[in-house]
Amino acid sequence: NAGVTQTPKFRVLKTGQSMTLLCAQDMNHEYMYWYRQDPGMGLRLIHYSVGEGTTAKGEVPDGYNVSRLKKQNFLLGLESAAPSQTSVYFCASSLGLAGGKSSYNEQFFGPGTRLTVL
Amino acid sequence: GNSVTQMEGPVTLSEEAFLTINCTYTATGYPSLFWYVQYPGEGLQLLLKATKADDKGSNKGFEATYRKETTSFHLEKGSVQVSDSAVYFCALSISRYNFNKFYFGSGTKLNVKP
Repeated sequence: NAGVTQTPKFRVLKTGQSMTLLCAQDMNHEYMYWYRQDPGMGLRLIHYSVGEGTTAKGEVPDGYNVSRLKKQNFLLGLESAAPSQTSVYFCASSLGLAGGKSSYNEQFFGPGTRLTVL
Repeated sequence: GNSVTQMEGPVTLSEEAFLTINCTYTATGYPSLFWYVQYPGEGLQLLLKATKADDKGSNKGFEATYRKETTSFHLEKGSVQVSDSAVYFCALSISRYNFNKFYFGSGTKLNVKP
């Protein structure tokens, strides 16, 4: 049981390049999330998904796209990277409604991807 | 709206000192409250949680009590160790439209010196 895994762990991009971050979970969780973590700002929600085939915008969605084609995977894409997207990106998952009242359900986090955009 | 405010760090303590990290929240509705810990180079891990008023969450010597009257969820530990050095995040979760949204504080870095 690997939990939540993320690839890659590190990446350096040039402005304008594109890339996809992959998140995978083996806990059969319904909900998945992408956050970015910046110094002094805690975690900010980029996009989330409440089930296979669904996605929704979070607090800071601009410049990112996501897809959830399979329940266990949640992809985050940057179509044209900008220096403002330099950050540490965390994926998380949680049980969702199947685990009872959803607010009780903790989120499980991946180890993060450190992205630098030059 | 919903938000979490926690004390700014870094907090520097000597080993075996008493730890308090303050956390207060604002919420529309009845949130669940969490403390997460992030060790260097790693993702966040759940430390403890409380799902209703007056509940006490505890784990690894850490405790926090859900205080609805003061809208607080302060983290405490009686005797910290060097291995407790990490960043601690307070968070609340609210159910809305079949989705539980998390709101995280900005994190408090704890440095414990031997």
